[in-house]
Amino acid sequence: DTAVSQTPKYLVTQMGNDKSIKCEQNLGHDTMYWYKQDSKKFLKIMFSYNNKELIINETVPNRFSPKSPDKAHLNLHINSLELGDSAVYFCASSRLFQGAPPYEQYFGPGTRLTVT
Amino acid sequence: SQQGEEDPQALSIQEGENATMNCSYKTSINNLQWYRQNSGRGLVHLILIRSNEREKHSGRLRVTLDTSKKSSSLLITASRAADTASYFCATDAATDKLIFGTGTRLQVFP
Repeated sequence: DTAVSQTPKYLVTQMGNDKSIKCEQNLGHDTMYWYKQDSKKFLKIMFSYNNKELIINETVPNRFSPKSPDKAHLNLHINSLELGDSAVYFCASSRLFQGAPPYEQYFGPGTRLTVT
Repeated sequence: SQQGEEDPQALSIQEGENATMNCSYKTSINNLQWYRQNSGRGLVHLILIRSNEREKHSGRLRVTLDTSKKSSSLLITASRAADTASYFCATDAATDKLIFGTGTRLQVFP
C-alpha cells in the first residue's frame, strides 16, 4: 500500500492556467508538507499543515494556495501558472509533537509540472 | 536560506567500494537527517542522528556528526549498483521545519 500518494504524476499545462495537485497519506500522521524541487535538485519547503492548520508558510507567491480538508489530505492549487513554476512538487508527511524537532518525513512520488 | 551543503556534488565509484559524502551546515541543530532520492522518485529517509550523538549505524550506512565543525558525513560501505541515487542531508536549524542540502549524486558502476 502506498504511504504517501500524489496525483497527477505528470502535469503539462500552458501559462495562465489554474491547476491542482492532490496528496493523500495513510500513515496516520498529523503533519503534511509541500516541497518544490527545481531543476538543480534543490528542495525547498513551501507549506506545512498540522492537524489541518497552516503552520509553515514560506515566501511563496499567493498564486499558490494549499488546502487541507482533513489530516490525511493536503492539496495544492496554483493560479495563473508561470514558466518559473515548472518543477517537481513533493508532498510529505510526518509526526510532529509540539516543541519537538522534526521527525523523519515520508515523501510522495512527486508531481512533475511543466508550464509551456 | 540554504542550510546544508553536500560535498562532493557528484561521486562515481565501482561496486564494492565505499562512498563518503559530507554535509556542512551553518546554524545550531537539534537533529540531522539523511535522505536518498532515486531518479524520478520521492525522497526516502535513511537515518536520523541527534545533536548529542557522534556516530550512528544502520546496515551498510554509517553517519557521523561533529557539531563543533557543523558537519556530518555519510559512509556507504561495500556499495552496490542499487545505491546509485542522490543523497541529501537535512537539518532542522532548531525550528519546526527541515532544510535540505544541495545533494550528492552517487553513481555506482557494476
